Amino acid sequence: AQSVTQPDIHITVSEGASLELRCNYSYGATPYLFWYVQSPGQGLQLLLKYFSGDTLVQGIKGFEAEFKRSQSSFNLRKPSVHWSDAAEYFCAVGAGFQKLVFGTGTRLLVSP
Amino acid sequence: DVKVTQSSRYLVKRTGEKVFLECVQDMDHENMFWYRQDPGLGLRLIYFSYDVKMKEKGDIPEGYSVSREKKERFSLILESASTNQTSMYLCASSFRRQVTDEQYFGPGTRLTVT
Repeated sequence: AQSVTQPDIHITVSEGASLELRCNYSYGATPYLFWYVQSPGQGLQLLLKYFSGDTLVQGIKGFEAEFKRSQSSFNLRKPSVHWSDAAEYFCAVGAGFQKLVFGTGTRLLVSP
Repeated sequence: DVKVTQSSRYLVKRTGEKVFLECVQDMDHENMFWYRQDPGLGLRLIYFSYDVKMKEKGDIPEGYSVSREKKERFSLILESASTNQTSMYLCASSFRRQVTDEQYFGPGTRLTVT
């Protein structure tokens, strides 16, 4: 069965520092991978997605993610974090025709 | 812009009550989804629907049912609410029956069952 692991429950980053959020997936075939962000009091918003092709994917708000098949990973990165990036981030893998399986999320705290 | 609205942001119900959570999308999307979100568990799929009057069970359907009488509206029903159904409920929709399509989420309903 498909699964997603986000090993970090919380991460604190200083404003202006770089960010990497980890995501590992389990899936038999080529996965469809997603990163969503949930700002406080809001629903989830898609940051980026990977289906095939270039393994480095660019998303909104300056985020990018790299698909590494050998490591079964799809880590999210941002070179310089802003205070407005404080939120919860979810990695997800496509499971079957229409379903997504989500990870447990990583809460990002941004310190001044 | 796609808009997914949920009928309530906060709801408090008593054990044993029948509870209806309503979700409406305004972009003619085929797919609609209900998730529950719990700390440390992420989002788990309860039910989804790919057409009017069509539904499929997700990963945790027990204790829930759904209704989709019109394309834009998807209701989640708790027949007899229990305290273990206290949670955040998120509705989502997507355009086509393809997992590659972006899911658009509503703001959520925080349900407390006492």
